[in-house]
Amino acid sequence: IVLTQSPGTLSLSPGERATLSCRASQSVSSSFLAWYQQKPGQAPRLLIYGASSRATGIPDRFRGSGSGTDFTLTISRLEPEDFAVYYCQQYGSTPETFGQGTKVEIK
Amino acid sequence: QVQLQESGPGLVKPSETLSLTCTVSGASISSYYWSWIRQPPGKGLEWIGYSGSANYNPSLKSRATISVDTSKNQFSLNLSSVTAADTAVYYCVRRLSGWLDPWGQGTLVTVSS
Repeated sequence: IVLTQSPGTLSLSPGERATLSCRASQSVSSSFLAWYQQKPGQAPRLLIYGASSRATGIPDRFRGSGSGTDFTLTISRLEPEDFAVYYCQQYGSTPETFGQGTKVEIK
Repeated sequence: QVQLQESGPGLVKPSETLSLTCTVSGASISSYYWSWIRQPPGKGLEWIGYSGSANYNPSLKSRATISVDTSKNQFSLNLSSVTAADTAVYYCVRRLSGWLDPWGQGTLVTVSS
């Protein structure tokens, strides 16, 4: 399954809302989709699993939604620490695959 | 909490085998599945495979093997016949019903003569 993330780069200011898209080339079974955040020089960190469940310790400004082939990660109000690259991952079929990433940068 | 730490050579010669080990603390390695993910410099994430499964990324053309050593609470990755295209940061990760958490800090492996 090919995951296509859009946009490639999102330029926003702190306090603004970010909407990131992840589109699958075929349906992702049982909403087996996760989102990760990666900051420069760091390992990715799990944000969302099962399309909409927040991982432990993740603030509620992060919200995952969607099903089938269309998934969205919404950050309601960007904090300075949210500027990073975000990846989606499907684990419903092998090979498990990642999107190419969306960079959220400070405008 | 669960912590993972990768170890292994940072430089491997072309055509040789890349061997990495991940040491797990805070969890029994027998209780979960464990994955390897890699990230070429400046690029995105690539799934390699996970322990206890015969499934590996077909793009690796059967070069990858993931094994577990329960006596040491470690798991390993062997990647044979490496080329420059295998240069990447390699992450070991716990696999929880498919999603990945937590991640090791990653280790850069460069393939070069």
